[in-house]
Amino acid sequence: DAGVTQSPTHLIKTRGQQVTLRCSPKSGHDTVSWYQQALGQGPQFIFQYYEEEERQRGNFPDRFSGHQFPNYSSELNVNALLLGDSALYLCASRNSRTGRLVGTEAFFGQGTRLTVV
Amino acid sequence: KQEVTQIPAALSVPEGENLVLNCSFTDSAIYNLQWFRQDPGKGLTSLLLIQSSQREQTSGRLNASLDKSSGRSTLYIAASQPGDSATYLCAVPSGSRLTFGEGTQLTVNP
Repeated sequence: DAGVTQSPTHLIKTRGQQVTLRCSPKSGHDTVSWYQQALGQGPQFIFQYYEEEERQRGNFPDRFSGHQFPNYSSELNVNALLLGDSALYLCASRNSRTGRLVGTEAFFGQGTRLTVV
Repeated sequence: KQEVTQIPAALSVPEGENLVLNCSFTDSAIYNLQWFRQDPGKGLTSLLLIQSSQREQTSGRLNASLDKSSGRSTLYIAASQPGDSATYLCAVPSGSRLTFGEGTQLTVNP
């Protein structure tokens, strides 16, 4: 059973460029969340997708946008990259059908390391 | 707003020691609490999920406790091994998001 998979694993972009990160949830999971983790800090919630809609959003600017596809996979897009966007981007999935949306175990991918130069 | 704090920020112990990692949260109205392990530059591995109705959850050498009323959770690691060296993070749900502490960086010396 494949867990949460993210691509690419590493990425280097230039300031001002745009980037797309991809996530495939664990088999049977329908809800995907994205987190940003700066070095030495805990992950910070960006947004969550369920039924192809953004359900909740953290304190991130509109430069951060996302999408969820009918097969539950998801993309995170960041426009007009800043040096401060350099971080590990983590995708998490959970199964909303086994209980309340907030009560089930979250599984994380290995992350995408984004470096903005 | 939920805030999560982990103490200590870093811990270095000799192999074989039993140790306790602490996590505190400000809003006790939580459904569960999850402990994760993170190796350098890697993603998060779920260790234990403890529901609000439970007081303890065990997996191998790991034992997590939850006291909602005091806003605290502890992760107990028995007979620590060098392979336990990693950062340990606790997280609580706030709505449909997880709020994380900043983690405890554990080093187990052979």
